[in-house]
Amino acid sequence: EPEVTQTPSHQVTQMGQEVILRCVPISNHLYFYWYRQILGQKVEFLVSFYNNEISEKSEIFDDQFSVERPDGSNFTLKIRSTKLEDSAMYFCASSGEQGKPQHFGDGTRLSIL
Amino acid sequence: DAKTTQPTSMDCAEGRAANLPCNHSTISGNEYVYWYRQIHSQGPQYIIHGLKNNETNEMASLIITEDRKSSTLILPHATLRDTAVYYCIVRVANSGGYQKVTFGTGTKLQVIP
Repeated sequence: EPEVTQTPSHQVTQMGQEVILRCVPISNHLYFYWYRQILGQKVEFLVSFYNNEISEKSEIFDDQFSVERPDGSNFTLKIRSTKLEDSAMYFCASSGEQGKPQHFGDGTRLSIL
Repeated sequence: DAKTTQPTSMDCAEGRAANLPCNHSTISGNEYVYWYRQIHSQGPQYIIHGLKNNETNEMASLIITEDRKSSTLILPHATLRDTAVYYCIVRVANSGGYQKVTFGTGTKLQVIP
């Protein structure tokens, strides 16, 4: 069964550095998402992306965050200048036709030192 | 999206059916009931969804009451690998394609040997 893949599984970065988290969504999916989960807390929506533009973003997704689909397969989340509170699991998800369920990757654990 | 209420935690003996309840008394006519689960250290996994009819797939069954104010997810023969947090989510399925999933705190199901 096709699945969403994320790399790396664990990223350790110094505070203030830029980080790029990578995702390969399911190949025929059209809608892409990023979520995050701080340790012990709920999974929180960050952003959704369709037709090469952001369709919705949360309050968390401020100017430090950006998303890109640089080619036909990858979907990336960039954090420009990381802060300690950015430490979390980041999950990528994708979905196909309208209303179809989202499928999630196993996440990237981001640790900011 | 309508609010849902789930028990914080439940236990189930291995091999027995796990019945996970969810209340969604404010559900609207065009809102579906979705179930996801999150096994420790993994991304959320889609299980099943339905509108008003009972649904079954290879993973689980979903029973929705006639008034649609509550539902039950049934794992017919729980295994240790079913130990996870189970999320009941109510959302509109066909609202324009993209739509974030809003996770609550879910039910922590512990399957006991």
